[in-house]
Amino acid sequence: AQSVAQPEDQVNVAEGNPLTVKCTYSVSGNPYLFWYVQYPNRGLQFLLKYITGDNLVKGSYGFEAEFNKSQTSFHLKKPSALVSDSALYFCAVSSFYNFNKFYFGSGTKLNVKP
Amino acid sequence: DTAVSQTPKYLVTQMGNDKSIKCEQNLGHDTMYWYKQDSKKFLKIMFSYNNKELIINETVPNRFSPKSPDKAHLNLHINSLELGDSAVYFCASSPPGSSYNEQFFGPGTRLTVL
Repeated sequence: AQSVAQPEDQVNVAEGNPLTVKCTYSVSGNPYLFWYVQYPNRGLQFLLKYITGDNLVKGSYGFEAEFNKSQTSFHLKKPSALVSDSALYFCAVSSFYNFNKFYFGSGTKLNVKP
Repeated sequence: DTAVSQTPKYLVTQMGNDKSIKCEQNLGHDTMYWYKQDSKKFLKIMFSYNNKELIINETVPNRFSPKSPDKAHLNLHINSLELGDSAVYFCASSPPGSSYNEQFFGPGTRLTVL
C-alpha cells in the first residue's frame, strides 16, 4: 500500500533555530517525493521535490530536504527558522507505478515563535 | 494573472441541493485534479483528468461528477449535498509527466452544507 506518514501534528521552534519536519513514506517502485506549504485560507504551494540524483534537495524560502532510501524518509529542514515560516506543511509521494496519483501526509503545523 | 482559479471561494447551501464548483488553469497543463480537505486538514485526491480524459476516480460517491469541457477547465458538480460534504475543495494542475512534476493548486472553495 502507498502511504505517507507525518508523525508530528505540530512542531514548535524558536525563530533562528533549525527546524525539521518529518516524513516517511511507503510506495511501490522508486518514489517521487514532494513538500508543499499551506498558509491559512490558501491553496498548497510547492516547496521542493526529489525525483532522482543527489539525496539533498534545495527548494524555496531556504528549505531543503534529505532523501534517505534505507529509512524511507524525506525530512524537511531549514537551518534558521523565521516567524513567517509558520504554516501547515504537507509531504506527498508518487511513483512511476502510480501515474498521476499522489498520496499526501496528514500535515504538520509549524509554529515559529519570536 | 492567477494560474489556477476556482469559483466560488465560499459556498453555503442546504442539504439536498445541487451545486457546482468551477476550476480554470491558464498554465497550459494537461492534467487537472480535484482534492478534498477535511476539517482536520487531511487532503485526499478525488479525481484526475488528463487531456479531458478521466484517469483517476477514487472511492467518491456517485453524487460527485467531474466534467472537463477542455483541458483548461475541470468542474465539479455535486448532487444531493450532505452534511459530510462540508470541506474545502482544491483544484490543481500539473504539466505532462505528472508523477514527477509538482502540482499547482487553486485557492480552494470552502463548502458548508447546513
